[in-house]
Amino acid sequence: SQELEQSPQSLIVQEGKNLTINCTSSKTLYGLYWYKQKYGEGLIFLMMLQKGGEEKSHEKITAKLDEKKQQSSLHITASQPSHAGIYLCGADGNQGGKLIFGQGTELSVKP
Amino acid sequence: EPEVTQTPSHQVTQMGQEVILRCVPISNHLYFYWYRQILGQKVEFLVSFYNNEISEKSEIFDDQFSVERPDGSNFTLKIRSTKLEDSAMYFCASSASRTVSEAFFGQGTRLTVV
Repeated sequence: SQELEQSPQSLIVQEGKNLTINCTSSKTLYGLYWYKQKYGEGLIFLMMLQKGGEEKSHEKITAKLDEKKQQSSLHITASQPSHAGIYLCGADGNQGGKLIFGQGTELSVKP
Repeated sequence: EPEVTQTPSHQVTQMGQEVILRCVPISNHLYFYWYRQILGQKVEFLVSFYNNEISEKSEIFDDQFSVERPDGSNFTLKIRSTKLEDSAMYFCASSASRTVSEAFFGQGTRLTVV
């Protein structure tokens, strides 16, 4: 079965700094999703990547998909306290709509 | 903006009791899902539902679990006889299509079994 591994597991950055979160899949990626979860709350959809080499941006968050490496990265530029939370990557491994998730990366941003 | 709504937000139940978690998916979506997240663990897929039947279910989704779309809007998850290990956050999600697409998640129901 497909597994997603995120790194790092947690991250503390100073406000204004850039950061990158990685998500590596054990199998071919047919679609990669990034979600943000605030503590004890639901998952907020950030971005979906479908094709190798695809890159998408939303405000100061950019995500890329490297199909060959079976990996995606999420990059936040000039981090703010509002970026704090848990970032989850999810993959639609069998194209059946069922999402497999990584364990999450907990981001803290120090003012 | 359309959203998936879940009720209740928090439910406490005694072990052995039946619970029903409710979800109102986005109105034009056709695919519905339940996921759960035990505290400190990954979000895990439970079941997907389409055209009034289960499309896929995980090993977690045993005979104690059932799903239903009792009317045109609600989508429910029933746990017949709750166990302590069923304590988790349960998320409902819906999407417009089966293949790679954007799934919208509800805010979750925190189930605590005591």
